[in-house]
Amino acid sequence: GAVVSQHPSWVICKSGTSVKIECRSLDFQATTMFWYRQFPKQSLMLMATSNEGSKATYEQGVEKDKFLINHASLTLSTLTVTSAHPEDSSFYICSGVDLNTEAFFGQGTRLTVV
Amino acid sequence: AQSVTQLGSHVSVSEGALVLLRCNYSSSVPPYLFWYVQYPNQGLQLLLKYTTGATLVKGINGFEAEFKKSETSFHLTKPSAHMSDAAEYFCAVSEGGGNKLTFGTGTQLKVEL
Repeated sequence: GAVVSQHPSWVICKSGTSVKIECRSLDFQATTMFWYRQFPKQSLMLMATSNEGSKATYEQGVEKDKFLINHASLTLSTLTVTSAHPEDSSFYICSGVDLNTEAFFGQGTRLTVV
Repeated sequence: AQSVTQLGSHVSVSEGALVLLRCNYSSSVPPYLFWYVQYPNQGLQLLLKYTTGATLVKGINGFEAEFKKSETSFHLTKPSAHMSDAAEYFCAVSEGGGNKLTFGTGTQLKVEL
C-alpha cells in the first residue's frame, strides 16, 4: 500500500511556542489530507480536512487560528500548533487519500507541551 | 450523520481462541465500513474494508468481518488469536464512499497465554 510519512514522531515544546508537524505522501499524490487528534485511550477525532491549494475545512470546535494547516503541494500538508499549551498535548495523526479514495495514515506525532 | 459504536473497550482472549470485536454503525446512506489496527504510538493500519458486493470481507492477518445491514453491524473476527494481535482496534464508517471517516472509540485487545 501507499506510504504516508509523518514527522516528527514525537516532540516536546515549551508553552507558548509553536510546533510544525509534516505529513508527506511518499508514493502517491494526495489531493486531500485529514488531520486527526487522539487523546489517551480515546478514539481519533477529525480536526480538519486539507485540500491541496485551498483553505482547510475545520471541524466544529477546532480553532483554525490555533491549528494552522497548509497543503501547498499534492504530497505535503503541515499542521502548525501555535502558542501551544499543555492541553494541546496529544497524539496527532494525518492521513492522505489517493485516487482510489483509500486513506493511508501516517505514524502519528506525540506532542507534549511543558 | 454517521456514528460508530464499539461495544467493549477492552477484550481479553486466550491465545488460540476466537477473537470477536463488535461494531455497530448508523448511517443515512449506504456506508463504507473499515477496521483499523493501531499499535502503541503508531498510526493506523487498515485491516479490511467493506464497500459494496460480498458482505463477508477478508483482511490481513487472518481477520474478517461481515456486513449485516439488518443489524447495522460489522463485527471483526479471527478464528485463532495470536500474541501479536494484541493492539487497539478501531471500527470506522464513511458515508457514500467519501473518505471522511468517523471512528468508534476503539477496543483494546489483550491476548493471554
